Amino acid sequence: EVQLVESGGGLVQPGRSLRLSCAASGFTFDDYAMHWVRQAPGKGLEWVSGISWNSGSIGYADSVKGRFTISRDNAKNSLYLQMNSLRAEDTALYYCAKGSSGWYLNWFDPWGQGTLVTVSS
Amino acid sequence: EIVLTQSPGTLSLSPGERATLSCRASQSVSSSYLAWYQQKPGQAPRLLIYGASSRATGIPDRFSGSGSGTDFTLTISRLEPEDFAVYYCQQYGSSTAITFGQGTRLEIK
Repeated sequence: EVQLVESGGGLVQPGRSLRLSCAASGFTFDDYAMHWVRQAPGKGLEWVSGISWNSGSIGYADSVKGRFTISRDNAKNSLYLQMNSLRAEDTALYYCAKGSSGWYLNWFDPWGQGTLVTVSS
Repeated sequence: EIVLTQSPGTLSLSPGERATLSCRASQSVSSSYLAWYQQKPGQAPRLLIYGASSRATGIPDRFSGSGSGTDFTLTISRLEPEDFAVYYCQQYGSSTAITFGQGTRLEIK
């Protein structure tokens, strides 16, 4: 069974940094792209970033470009999101999701349960 | 980036009725790279449809997807009580960014 478990969320002040992690199991991690998707309280889904199987292709939403960095460690079956210069509008539940292939432009299945990031002073 | 507009925002129907949800793209979605997800309160989204019309594993056949280019539709043939949820479309055909629609809330009438 595929499992994705996010961690690292919490309360952080504006302008500070946070690093999210996603531990994957139940599939061959280095065969698939991985993604971060967020959902602000009571709002819809927003794709944040995606990374191909070998980290050779990476994409970001315009709203986080230059502030967030996605990475992966295939030896540890783990995905990361380094979030710098956080803003109030980054407050959301952050989901980790498995891509449908090694290339990062794909659909997502399954999703983790999410980790909550709250940016507030 | 490709903007996806879903309609209606809210759809009120009764169990047993047919639901038709629309997703319109601001430009053509290449190779019908469009997916649909269902999200229930307090849960992560679940994949229903990919490639515009292919059902994901374990999804009942009352769910079907259709469309191409800029107009896509998710149809639920006969609503079951567990189908009342929020539905999102997603395009993954752009060379630069993946985007989601704003969602359609399907509620019990």
